[in-house]
Amino acid sequence: DAGVIQSPRHEVTEMGQEVTLRCKPISGHNSLFWYRQTMMRGLELLIYFNNNVPIDDSGMPEDRFSAKMPNASFSTLKIQPSEPRDSAVYFCASSTGPHGGYGYTFGSGTRLTVV
Amino acid sequence: GDSVTQMEGPVTLSEEAFLTINCTYTATGYPSLFWYVQYPGEGLQLLLKATKADDKGSNKGFEATYRKETTSFHLEKGSVQVSDSAVYFCALEATGGFKTIFGAGTRLFVKA
Repeated sequence: DAGVIQSPRHEVTEMGQEVTLRCKPISGHNSLFWYRQTMMRGLELLIYFNNNVPIDDSGMPEDRFSAKMPNASFSTLKIQPSEPRDSAVYFCASSTGPHGGYGYTFGSGTRLTVV
Repeated sequence: GDSVTQMEGPVTLSEEAFLTINCTYTATGYPSLFWYVQYPGEGLQLLLKATKADDKGSNKGFEATYRKETTSFHLEKGSVQVSDSAVYFCALEATGGFKTIFGAGTRLFVKA
């Protein structure tokens, strides 16, 4: 398996523009997580899907952020409009389930820079 | 609520030194415990795990034992290498919970 695949690896955009980050989880994994990592705040959980259904989006910072999972093999995280404070590394992770101690497999991340 | 506390870094060691990174947790029931490692420019990788009390997780020379009595899961390695330089995250998955809770991470530097 190729692991969790995220695209793009790097994204530089101007303030106010729409940004879409993409994730392909591992086949057979039914849980998917979006995280944001910054030096100041560390690793933050943004949203969690189970069987393509959003279970908890309490970590989404504001309405400018939205996430979808239209099928088991694809998810997107969209920021519209983007702001400089959204600059961070965004990780997608997948797991075989929310319970059972399986752990997560993380993608390599998307480094977003908003100028 | 559930939480994970790990020692602040950075930790700087010479090659072949003994490593301990402390991790304690607060949770009800019997959580599963994990250590993840993040190398520069990469995502987190699962290093080892333990799912019940007294279990020892091990991988690549790293070990950690699930200690229920002290609510701890300290990471150890007998002889570190320069290639072990990374950030290490302790994490727990609460009983019946749907997400993993991560510690703040501990950065390790190993000097040649």
